[in-house]
Amino acid sequence: EPEVTQTPSHQVTQMGQEVILRCVPISNHLYFYWYRQILGQKVEFLVSFYNNEISEKSEIFDDQFSVERPDGSNFTLKIRSTKLEDSAMYFCASSSHGLSEAFFGQGTRLTVV
Amino acid sequence: GIQVEQSPPDLILQEGANSTLRCNFSDSVNNLQWFHQNPWGQLINLFYIPSGTKQNGRLSATTVATERYSLLYISSSQTTDSGVYFCAVVETSGSRLTFGEGTQLTVNP
Repeated sequence: EPEVTQTPSHQVTQMGQEVILRCVPISNHLYFYWYRQILGQKVEFLVSFYNNEISEKSEIFDDQFSVERPDGSNFTLKIRSTKLEDSAMYFCASSSHGLSEAFFGQGTRLTVV
Repeated sequence: GIQVEQSPPDLILQEGANSTLRCNFSDSVNNLQWFHQNPWGQLINLFYIPSGTKQNGRLSATTVATERYSLLYISSSQTTDSGVYFCAVVETSGSRLTFGEGTQLTVNP
């Protein structure tokens, strides 16, 4: 069964460093998303991406964050100058179109120390 | 933006019991999904159910879009059903999923 895959599963980084979280969406999907979940809280939307551009972003997704689809299969989230409060589980998701069922990857647990 | 409220926030059951989880939302939606977050943090798709009723084994779900709520039924619960159940919706004006706070389910043997 096709699935969304994320790497790495865990990442520890020092405050102020840049991290890149990677995702391979389901191959025939056209919409890609990043969400995050701070420990013990609900899942929050960060950004959606379609046709090689951002289609929607939340208030959380400021200049510290950027997304890219560098090739035909990968979708990345870059976080610059990481802060302690960026520690969270980051989920990538994809869907075939904007209103169809979204499928989530297993998540990357980011810890900023 | 749209508000999503889930109830109850916590639920403790004995193995074999049945339960109903509720999701209320404040505006019209194009998409509604139920997820189970397992102890490893993975979000497992349970149902894509913007309207109507679906069943999958011991689980079923009903969404009444006109009344802005959805219900998730778990029958004959098992310890492996433990975890957090999230409802998430896409409002008609957007494409993002907005999640509720979740229901923490604990099934004791």
